Amino acid sequence: DTGVSQDPRHKITKRGQNVTFRCDPISEHNRLYWYRQTLGQGPEFLTYFQNEAQLEKSRLLSDRFSAERPKGSFSTLEIQRTEQGDSAMYLCASSLKLGLGSNEQFFGPGTRLTVL
Amino acid sequence: DAKTTQPPSMDCAEGRAANLPCNHSTISGNEYVYWYRQIHSQGPQYIIHGLKNNETNEMASLIITEDRKSSTLILPHATLRDTAVYYCIVRLPSSSGNTPLVFGKGTRLSVIA
Repeated sequence: DTGVSQDPRHKITKRGQNVTFRCDPISEHNRLYWYRQTLGQGPEFLTYFQNEAQLEKSRLLSDRFSAERPKGSFSTLEIQRTEQGDSAMYLCASSLKLGLGSNEQFFGPGTRLTVL
Repeated sequence: DAKTTQPPSMDCAEGRAANLPCNHSTISGNEYVYWYRQIHSQGPQYIIHGLKNNETNEMASLIITEDRKSSTLILPHATLRDTAVYYCIVRLPSSSGNTPLVFGKGTRLSVIA
């Protein structure tokens, strides 16, 4: 399978614990995105990378959240001191920068986080 | 905030065409219209996009009105596997590459046998 993969698919943690998610994009894609999706809502943008550079962060990305893409390939999203409000599906997407217009994003299956 | 308005839900009989409307009355001249769908427990999947002209691919057709203030996604022969939430997104292309997608709540399409 050459699509976007995410690990783990499900994570249950207790409030206050730290969690880390991993995303492996499609191999030649230089852009990588993180989104969060809560029940009944569409995905909300968190942050994105072009290669290893983090180009934009949403206001949703509080200080407890940090994302990295150290070698411009896979990315990790860490949440420190988790809160119940962090419970959501965390989606990763990748795309290929080709300039103006039409570059679709390919999404992974997501990591579902439940904070007890 | 999402710049589009979609009905929250629609039903369609299996084998019939599903026509999903989207209003984007504030769209600017160089913003594209994108459609994604999300099947239960999966990540969103790209369907189609367009700027001014109608577009068709193996999944669907996109009809954009002449004033570009609304569009319709057409699934010509809906199957049960097309049951999903469909998102209409308007998006300004960036000269430096892609911009993040801004999703609304979408339309929940139920295809009924």
